[in-house]
Amino acid sequence: GENVEQHPSTLSVQEGDSAVIKCTYSDSASNYFPWYKQELGKGPQLIIDIRSNVGEKKDQRIAVTLNKTAKHFSLHITETQPEDSAVYFCAARSDTGRRALTFGSGTRLQVQP
Amino acid sequence: DAGVIQSPRHEVTEMGQEVTLRCKPISGHDYLFWYRQTMMRGLELLIYFNNNVPIDDSGMPEDRFSAKMPNASFSTLKIQPSEPRDSAVYFCASSTSRGLSEKLFFGSGTQLSVL
Repeated sequence: GENVEQHPSTLSVQEGDSAVIKCTYSDSASNYFPWYKQELGKGPQLIIDIRSNVGEKKDQRIAVTLNKTAKHFSLHITETQPEDSAVYFCAARSDTGRRALTFGSGTRLQVQP
Repeated sequence: DAGVIQSPRHEVTEMGQEVTLRCKPISGHDYLFWYRQTMMRGLELLIYFNNNVPIDDSGMPEDRFSAKMPNASFSTLKIQPSEPRDSAVYFCASSTSRGLSEKLFFGSGTQLSVL
């Protein structure tokens, strides 16, 4: 089955700096790659996703890049703010076979004011 | 819509007791997922349903765990008997196969502590 690895496990940045979180996946059939943000005491929430037919997607301060050849994808957050502090999860899924997402282990992002 | 609703929010029980977690998915969603979150193992898929039918239960740890979805608006995850290693946050999530969005909507989770 799919295996998703995520790095780093913790990340501390100064407010206004950029943050980058990286993931690799194992199943070459995977074609959908979402990112979820989990705040304390809440369930994860989707913040951005990308399909394998595009290499990059942006939404304001958040961007995701995908390299299908290398089987890795990254989340980029620019101009970080204290409210960006949370745990971020990457995930992967294929349209064939199991419909459920396989999640990475999570990255705890701390934005220092 | 109120989103995915889980109950209870917190459950403290003693080893050997039966535990039942409940979930109400978003109306109209045809997929329902149960995930377990622990520090050691992260977010693990336990089981998922499509149109109330269990599709993949390969993540269910052992026979002590069972899940049902008697109708489109309700699902339960039962642990009998419970053990301390079952302590975790259990999330229910739902999604729809209709439209362009593949967004998974999570509930707030049930924090389970087995003493």
